[in-house]
Amino acid sequence: ETGVTQSPTHLIKTRGQQVTLRCSSQSGHNTVSWYQQALGQGPQFIFQYYREEENGRGNFPPRFSGLQFPNYSSELNVNALELDDSALYLCASSLHTDTQYFGPGTRLTVL
Amino acid sequence: KNQVEQSPQSLIILEGKNCTLQCNYTVSPFSNLRWYKQDTGRGPVSLTIMTFSENTKSNGRYTATLDADTKQSSLHITASQLSDSASYICVVSAKYGDTGTASKLTFGTGTRLQVTL
Repeated sequence: ETGVTQSPTHLIKTRGQQVTLRCSSQSGHNTVSWYQQALGQGPQFIFQYYREEENGRGNFPPRFSGLQFPNYSSELNVNALELDDSALYLCASSLHTDTQYFGPGTRLTVL
Repeated sequence: KNQVEQSPQSLIILEGKNCTLQCNYTVSPFSNLRWYKQDTGRGPVSLTIMTFSENTKSNGRYTATLDADTKQSSLHITASQLSDSASYICVVSAKYGDTGTASKLTFGTGTRLQVTL
C-alpha cells in the first residue's frame, strides 16, 4: 500500500454531467499529480499541484480543473463530460520531484 | 516531442524463465527513469528509479539498466513467478520551469507480461 487513497472507486456519469474525484496524498507529501489512463494505454499527465498551486499541465482542455488543499489533498473536476473521458483516473503524491506514489485509481464510465 | 516507447507490447513466458523488457525514450532534459509495475485496474507501483549517472539498479528479481547515451533502458526479470503477471511501464522524468523545480513524467504504453505454468 502506498498510503495514497482515492474516492470514489467507481463512478458512472452521463454525457454533459460534471464529476469531482478526490485524492488524499501520502503523509508528508506536498505534490499531487493527476493522470488519465485509457484502457490498454499508459497514463497521460493531466496536471500537477505543488503547495496548492498548479505546477504544470498536460494537453487537456480547460474543462479539466483541479484544486489542492492546505492538507495537500486534491480534487480533479471534469465539466461537460464526454464519452472519451471514460478512463481510470490516477493520482500520485510525492515530495516535490521525488518518486511518485500512485493511488488505486477511480474508474469513470461516461454513458 | 517527449516520447517513451516500449517493446514488446506483450509477452508470455513460462514460470521460472527470465525475460527482458525494453524502453527507448526521447525526453529532454532528462531527469530520471523509473520502471513501474501495474496490476490490472490498480495504480502503478514503483520498482526502480535511475538517474543519469546510474547504469544499473536491482530490486529483488528485477534489474533495470540505463544507457543515457543511446537513451535506452531495460528491465530484466529473473526466475519469473505467476505474480509477475502485470503491465510494466517505463516512465521518464524531465525537469522544466524557470528554476527546473517542476517535473513532468512521460509514460510508455507498457509491456503486458503474462507468466504461465
